[in-house]
Amino acid sequence: AQSVAQPEDQVNVAEGNPLTVKCTYSVSGNPYLFWYVQYPNRGLQFLLKYITGDNLVKGSYGFEAEFNKSQTSFHLKKPSALVSDSALYFCAVRDEYGGATNKLIFGTGTLLAVQP
Amino acid sequence: EAQVTQNPRYLITVTGKKLTVTCSQNMNHEYMSWYRQDPGLGLRQIYYSMNVEVTDKGDVPEGYKVSRKEKRNFPLILESPSPNQTSLYFCASSLSRSLSSYNEQFFGPGTRLTVL
Repeated sequence: AQSVAQPEDQVNVAEGNPLTVKCTYSVSGNPYLFWYVQYPNRGLQFLLKYITGDNLVKGSYGFEAEFNKSQTSFHLKKPSALVSDSALYFCAVRDEYGGATNKLIFGTGTLLAVQP
Repeated sequence: EAQVTQNPRYLITVTGKKLTVTCSQNMNHEYMSWYRQDPGLGLRQIYYSMNVEVTDKGDVPEGYKVSRKEKRNFPLILESPSPNQTSLYFCASSLSRSLSSYNEQFFGPGTRLTVL
């Protein structure tokens, strides 16, 4: 069965420092991997996705993520954090052979807090 | 503007009083889905729809109903709400229902439901 894990409930980082939000996954086939961000009182917004190709994926707001097949990870990164990046981040995975549901499996979320 | 809308955004009700949360998308998406978000559990899928008149259960369908009479609308119905259905609900849509689809999902702003 497919699953995704976000091992950190919260990540604290100072503004201007690099940030990493971790995600690991488990699927039977090749993974389709996504990152979403949720700002307070808002719905989830798509940040980026990995389908195939280059392991480093660039997305919105300066975020990028690195796909590592051997470690089954898809960590979200940003070189220089902003206070406005403070939000709840969700990693999600869909199995290439997951069937007809197009179902995304979401992690439990990581709260990113960027201190000024 | 391309968007997914939900109404109401906030709802407080009492046990057993039927309610409907509406969801509408203007992107001509085939796939629509309902999720609930609970602390520590991430997002869990309630129901999904691959196309008009095609719906199926997600991971936590008990106590919910849906319908898909039109492509743009996907209402969530709670026939007899109970306190354990107090949650934050999100509707989402995506372009393709293909088995190999890797299209990202677009989320509505959420409906915060409290059942007393």
